[in-house]
Amino acid sequence: EVQLVESGGGLVKPGGSLRLSCAASGFTFSIYSMNWVRQAPGKGLKWVSSISSSSNYIYYADSVKGRFTISRDNAKNSLYLQMNSLRAEDTAVYYCAREGAIVGAPDYWGQGTLVTVSS
Amino acid sequence: NFMLTQPHSVSESPGKTVTISCTRSSGSIASNYVQWYQQRPGSAPTIVIYEDNQRPSGVPDRFSGSIDSSSNSASLTISGLKTEDEADYYCQSYDSSFMWVFGGGTKLTVL
Repeated sequence: EVQLVESGGGLVKPGGSLRLSCAASGFTFSIYSMNWVRQAPGKGLKWVSSISSSSNYIYYADSVKGRFTISRDNAKNSLYLQMNSLRAEDTAVYYCAREGAIVGAPDYWGQGTLVTVSS
Repeated sequence: NFMLTQPHSVSESPGKTVTISCTRSSGSIASNYVQWYQQRPGSAPTIVIYEDNQRPSGVPDRFSGSIDSSSNSASLTISGLKTEDEADYYCQSYDSSFMWVFGGGTKLTVL
């Protein structure tokens, strides 16, 4: 069974940093592209970042470019999102999602981890 | 880049049929597949339609998807509405770099 479990969320002050992790199991993590998607409270889904299976291709939404860094460790079946210079508008539930058999789309999602940026 | 626009909310009675639209702002709706996701409160999204009109196993055949090039839009149709269908629905596609684009979401109320 495919499982994606996010961790690392919490309360952080504006300007602070946080590192999210996503532990994957139930599939061969190393062959799939992975993504982060966020959802602000009461709002819709917004794509944040993607990373290809071997980390050759990395993309970011304009809203996080230069502040967030996506990475992965295929030996540990883990995906990461380093978030620096956090702003109030970064407050959201952050989901990791697998891009699987469906081209250009998520097929499995984690349950999400809440990041709150507030003083 | 392009945007996907959905109605903010729709409502319909149990047993009826409802259609949710998703209009692409630029470029052809047919150029990249459209997916649809259901999200119940407090839960992660789950896919109900992929590649415009394909249904994953386990999704009832009451759910169907289509695209219309004349209106440059995709649609999700749910027939025989049940109260359990009440949720937020998001359309999703991708751009030329395979970056994901989501619609703003539609709240379906089954009353």
